[in-house]
Amino acid sequence: EPEVTQTPSHQVTQMGQEVILRCVPISNHLYFYWYRQILGQKVEFLVSFYNNEISEKSEIFDDQFSVERPDGSNFTLKIRSTKLEDSAMYFCASRTGLLRETQYFGPGTRLLVL
Amino acid sequence: GQQLNQSPQSMFIQEGEDVSMNCTSSSIFNTWLWYKQDPGEGPVLLIALYKAGELTSNGRLTAQFGITRKDSFLNISASIPSDVGIYFCAGRREGSNYQLIWGAGTKLIIKP
Repeated sequence: EPEVTQTPSHQVTQMGQEVILRCVPISNHLYFYWYRQILGQKVEFLVSFYNNEISEKSEIFDDQFSVERPDGSNFTLKIRSTKLEDSAMYFCASRTGLLRETQYFGPGTRLLVL
Repeated sequence: GQQLNQSPQSMFIQEGEDVSMNCTSSSIFNTWLWYKQDPGEGPVLLIALYKAGELTSNGRLTAQFGITRKDSFLNISASIPSDVGIYFCAGRREGSNYQLIWGAGTKLIIKP
């Protein structure tokens, strides 16, 4: 069964460093998403991406964040200058875009900013 | 931001008991989803609801899309140890095609 994959599974970085989180959505999916989940808290929407552009973003997704689909398979989230409060689990999700189709989530990347 | 109120926050139950949890919103939703998350893993979809009044089952799980389109519940019958985890409701607001808004989760703990 096809699934969303994410790399790395864990990343530790120093405050102020740039990080890139990678996702490979399911191959025939057209809509891509990033969510984050701070430890013990609920999942929060960051951004949605369709047709090579951002379609919707939350207030969390400020200028420090960017997304890119550099090739036909990868979907990346970049945090330019990490802050301590960026420590969280980051989930990628994708869906086909068909009516009633829902989002399938990857296993997540746990980011720890020191 | 938009809030989903999910309750209860946690439940301690005996194996074999039925479980019920719900989510409410002040806004109208056109989609309700129920996910389960195990520690260190991503959410896994349990049930998706797309129409007011819709009642859908997945094994021992049953979920309903409220008639007002502002709430949903999830029932688990005859709980077993592997039901332990955190259950999240998520919804898509009327007029939004993209983002899911999430509840805070219900942590299910089964007493031995």
